Amino acid sequence: DTAVSQTPKYLVTQMGNDKSIKCEQNLGHDTMYWYKQDSKKFLKIMFSYNNKELIINETVPNRFSPKSPDKAHLNLHINSLELGDSAVYFCASSTPGTAYEQYFGPGTRLTVT
Amino acid sequence: SQQGEEDPQALSIQEGENATMNCSYKTSINNLQWYRQNSGRGLVHLILIRSNEREKHSGRLRVTLDTSKKSSSLLITASRAADTASYFCATDWQGTGNQFYFGTGTSLTVIP
Repeated sequence: DTAVSQTPKYLVTQMGNDKSIKCEQNLGHDTMYWYKQDSKKFLKIMFSYNNKELIINETVPNRFSPKSPDKAHLNLHINSLELGDSAVYFCASSTPGTAYEQYFGPGTRLTVT
Repeated sequence: SQQGEEDPQALSIQEGENATMNCSYKTSINNLQWYRQNSGRGLVHLILIRSNEREKHSGRLRVTLDTSKKSSSLLITASRAADTASYFCATDWQGTGNQFYFGTGTSLTVIP
């Protein structure tokens, strides 16, 4: 059983397009996250979402918008894609009961051409 | 920034040897976690150490935490080729407990 799943696994698109990445967790966790990993493997938190409370990393451009239809889903929508958005995006979830040990999805490799 | 920083950036050892990675961070924390990332995969949680703990073991893993120096180390004993991966430390943020900042990672290569 997949704990945290993301779709699509690969996404190739042109500059200026709008795209979405979907994330679902079946662990019953309260908190979900989006991370961006660049080509140097630096992993940067973008958002955390806990029981309808969204915490935004101030350095994330407002072209990025997370949307959570329910506790098990946290999707990432990106408007007006730029070359610098090319990266691997990871979704993760956690819960207080495990001191917020995070479970990561397999990642979505986004390539903007 | 709460970003952790791992040292060394890359490490190459022979199978059977021990591997030690270090992590330094900037401000007070509640917890520090270590994760492993195999190539092309998501991160996998290895071990958590709380700020009031100094050492923790899990199988071949040993983690230490020195809050006075704001540093942690991960020791993998008797390394195996399957341990080849990148290793990241993650520290929580401003005591919220549910937001973590990751370091830049140590890339470990274990040569069979």
